[in-house]
Amino acid sequence: NAGVTQTPKFRVLKTGQSMTLLCAQDMNHEYMYWYRQDPGMGLRLIHYSVGEGTTAKGEVPDGYNVSRLKKQNFLLGLESAAPSQTSVYFCASRGPGPNHYEQYFGPGTRLTVT
Amino acid sequence: AQTVTQSQPEMSVQEAETVTLSCTYDTSESNYYLFWYKQPPSRQMILVIRQEAYKQQNATENRFSVNFQKAAKSFSLKISDSQLGDTAMYFCAFIVGPSNTGKLIFGQGTTLQVKP
Repeated sequence: NAGVTQTPKFRVLKTGQSMTLLCAQDMNHEYMYWYRQDPGMGLRLIHYSVGEGTTAKGEVPDGYNVSRLKKQNFLLGLESAAPSQTSVYFCASRGPGPNHYEQYFGPGTRLTVT
Repeated sequence: AQTVTQSQPEMSVQEAETVTLSCTYDTSESNYYLFWYKQPPSRQMILVIRQEAYKQQNATENRFSVNFQKAAKSFSLKISDSQLGDTAMYFCAFIVGPSNTGKLIFGQGTTLQVKP
C-alpha cells in the first residue's frame, strides 16, 4: 500500500494563478482532510470530507475549494493564489466510522506564492 | 473552544539522556483521544503514541511514554535514551470521540534537537 500520496511535492505560483493539489489514498478510508502548516501555528484544518461526494469547512477555509468525486481522492483548489497561502499543505485520511481516530498523513506539498 | 498548548517552542537534549515535552489541552468533553506526532526534517507526520482518555494507564511505545493527568488536562511526552533520529518537531493533538468529523486539534509544536 502506498498509503496517502500528494501531488505535487513543491510548487511556486505567482499571485492570482490557480492550481489544484491532489491527495490520493489506497486504504479505503472514508474521511479525508486538508491541513496547512505555518511556522509557530501547528496544523490548521482547511476543509474535510466524511465520504464521497461530501465536503465541509474547517478552521481556515477562505480562499480554498475542495472536491471529493471519488472516495480515494480529495482535491484542494486555489482559484486565485495569494502570498498568504504560502504554506506547507498536508492531506490526511482515517478509517471508517466514528471510533477510528488515527489519521494517516501524506508527505506534504510546499507551496510558495510570489 | 478546544485548544492545545505546547509551551516549549524549542528544546535540546544530549544523546542517551531523557527529555520531557509538555502539552496541555482544554476541552469540556470527557471522551477524547490524545496523540503525539513526530515531524522529522523529511516533513512526514508520524504517529508516535496515542492515549485514550478513559484509560488510566499511561501509554508506552518502546522509548516513548506519556504522563497523562486528566484532571490537570496535561499530556506530556517522555523520550528515554534519546537518539539522533529523534531530532524532529513534535506535535501534541487531540480529538473528541466518538466523532463523525474526526477533526484533530493540534498544538503549535516543539522542536527537539538531540545533540551528539
